[in-house]
Amino acid sequence: DAGITQSPRHKVTETGTPVTLRCHQTENHRYMYWYRQDPGHGLRLIHYSYGVKDTDKGEVSDGYSVSRSKTEDFLLTLESATSSQTSVYFCAISESQAYNEQFFGPGTRLTVL
Amino acid sequence: RKEVEQDPGPFNVPEGATVAFNCTYSNSASQSFFWYRQDCRKEPKLLMSVYSSGNEDGRFTAQLNRASQYISLLIRDSKLSDSATYLCVVKPEGTSYGKLTFGQGTILTVHP
Repeated sequence: DAGITQSPRHKVTETGTPVTLRCHQTENHRYMYWYRQDPGHGLRLIHYSYGVKDTDKGEVSDGYSVSRSKTEDFLLTLESATSSQTSVYFCAISESQAYNEQFFGPGTRLTVL
Repeated sequence: RKEVEQDPGPFNVPEGATVAFNCTYSNSASQSFFWYRQDCRKEPKLLMSVYSSGNEDGRFTAQLNRASQYISLLIRDSKLSDSATYLCVVKPEGTSYGKLTFGQGTILTVHP
């Protein structure tokens, strides 16, 4: 299995609070991605990174920001959590964007009350 | 029309059965195709890539039909452990960062 960890694995928070999720990889892959998975929507891309300090928006980026200061770490921040951000969040990594087999972390279950 | 469409199922089959899933995609210039499996409350895991010539990995066979814009996954001699959700995944043309588009998944349950 690819060396990807996510923390925390479970979190319950209240509306309006900031939340940061961490993705850590030991594969030295250049590309990293944050997805959310919701019933009826499948996996949707939030943000992605194509190198240290190089990030860009995906299809559902509103309300989220990311940072990547090291190759191995990709942080996802919910600036002010809302109930609509209750979801399962997956981080993924890829060595090449040309062919782009992506490998996923174990996920974080976030509940916003 | 969704970019990637799958029959959500569920497919309920007995052990030993052969089962096939189809998936259609809308972008005719799509480059890469994959099947992932996802167990309940787990992360998606790459099952196999799909090549133009078709490819086989043990009991699993994937086919690509570019003319009709669909891919398929055939599972032979189903095992209980094959019970999972199978995700069809496509890399559309023209993306600079390796964006993947995921289908919503087909649920397979294999029973004794």
